[in-house]
Amino acid sequence: GDSVTQMEGPVTLSEEAFLTINCTYTATGYPSLFWYVQYPGEGLQLLLKATKADDKGSNKGFEATYRKETTSFHLEKGSVQVSDSAVYFCALSHFNKFYFGSGTKLNVKP
Amino acid sequence: DAGITQSPRYKITETGRQVTLMCHQTWSHSYMFWYRQDLGHGLRLIYYSAAADITDKGEVPDGYVVSRSKTENFPLTLESATRSQTSVYFCASSEGGIRTDTQYFGPGTRLTVL
Repeated sequence: GDSVTQMEGPVTLSEEAFLTINCTYTATGYPSLFWYVQYPGEGLQLLLKATKADDKGSNKGFEATYRKETTSFHLEKGSVQVSDSAVYFCALSHFNKFYFGSGTKLNVKP
Repeated sequence: DAGITQSPRYKITETGRQVTLMCHQTWSHSYMFWYRQDLGHGLRLIYYSAAADITDKGEVPDGYVVSRSKTENFPLTLESATRSQTSVYFCASSEGGIRTDTQYFGPGTRLTVL
């Protein structure tokens, strides 16, 4: 069945470091792909999305490109801030169902 | 307040009791969803609803019941709570279909079943 696999955390970085969080998916056809962020004690918020192959989603300095050939949707940011500390979830939607990865906790140190 | 709200935010109950978690949204979104979040599993879809009086099962529906008599409300009931249902429950809504539309999440309900 459809699924999402993302790298385990926690990921600890210093402020201004480069961030990559890997995400790969399994699905037949062409799912839509998402990154959500969850701050402590809150619900999930959409960070970015891509609906077809080669689309790049971007928001708040974060980017991810829908790669059909490698079934990946890796999240990147060139310079992280302390305020980016949160849990990041990769997700896909396909045939009216939504699947989330297990989440990657990011800690950014000043 | 506008948005999506859940109540209660925290609930402790005992095995075998019935529990209802409430979800209310003010946007008149067509779609509403219930997820549970467990360590190591991310979020798993329990049930979703495409409109009032239309509901469908998600990935982990067993032990849960939903109803949607009004567009703005989507309560989730655990008819006989079990310890394995201890989790954080999130409600979400979206304007359009599940495929491409943004889902807006509530703040969550932390449920403990003793």
